[in-house]
Amino acid sequence: QKEVEQNSGPLSVPEGAIASLNCTYSDRGSQSFFWYRQYSGKSPELIMSIYSNGDKEDGRFTAQLNKASQYVSLLIRDSQPSDSATYLCAVIGAGNTGKLIFGQGTTLQVKP
Amino acid sequence: GAVVSQHPSRVICKSGTSVKIECRSLDFQATTMFWYRQFPKQSLMLMATSNEGSKATYEQGVEKDKFLINHASLTLSTLTVTSAHPEDSSFYICSATRNGGQPQHFGDGTRLSIL
Repeated sequence: QKEVEQNSGPLSVPEGAIASLNCTYSDRGSQSFFWYRQYSGKSPELIMSIYSNGDKEDGRFTAQLNKASQYVSLLIRDSQPSDSATYLCAVIGAGNTGKLIFGQGTTLQVKP
Repeated sequence: GAVVSQHPSRVICKSGTSVKIECRSLDFQATTMFWYRQFPKQSLMLMATSNEGSKATYEQGVEKDKFLINHASLTLSTLTVTSAHPEDSSFYICSATRNGGQPQHFGDGTRLSIL
């Protein structure tokens, strides 16, 4: 079992729709969770960080964390073609080494 | 916001060449920097953790004698790929954190192509 799992996609949504990206992790002691966006040929860009159960909203983005179920999700409202990218879920495991463990990434395609 | 600069952005060189990549934190002191490698259509894989003033910590399977890391100051870490071969061709990305905390801020990456 991979430490951080994501559906590789592609996830295709029409412009203006809500895109829902999901991620599960295996280390129950994990405390810090991040979503990064990566455009083709570019380095990752931090979108959201979340540390406690519940929802965290920032503009069109909402991160949701459920530690009991060991999943974290990212919702993108009013999806735009410019949101088309690969979204990487990253987790810092127990032990607080600071090391990020990345999922495979989900490719999102927003069609005009 | 925090800015991490990585140089060069692209390198094309012959097999057997050693290549040095620089990672600089421009507006904060980075006690910890991380080096990642990303092959096409794969996720980022951590290669090593670079700590200022001490030896880097390498992940399992990463050859420390091939991938030399130096973190001589609070704003600069370097990765040297020694005697590079075609299988070392990849996208190398560094990241830095303020005071060892989170989140990590990524450089723009270096695309290394070994002929």
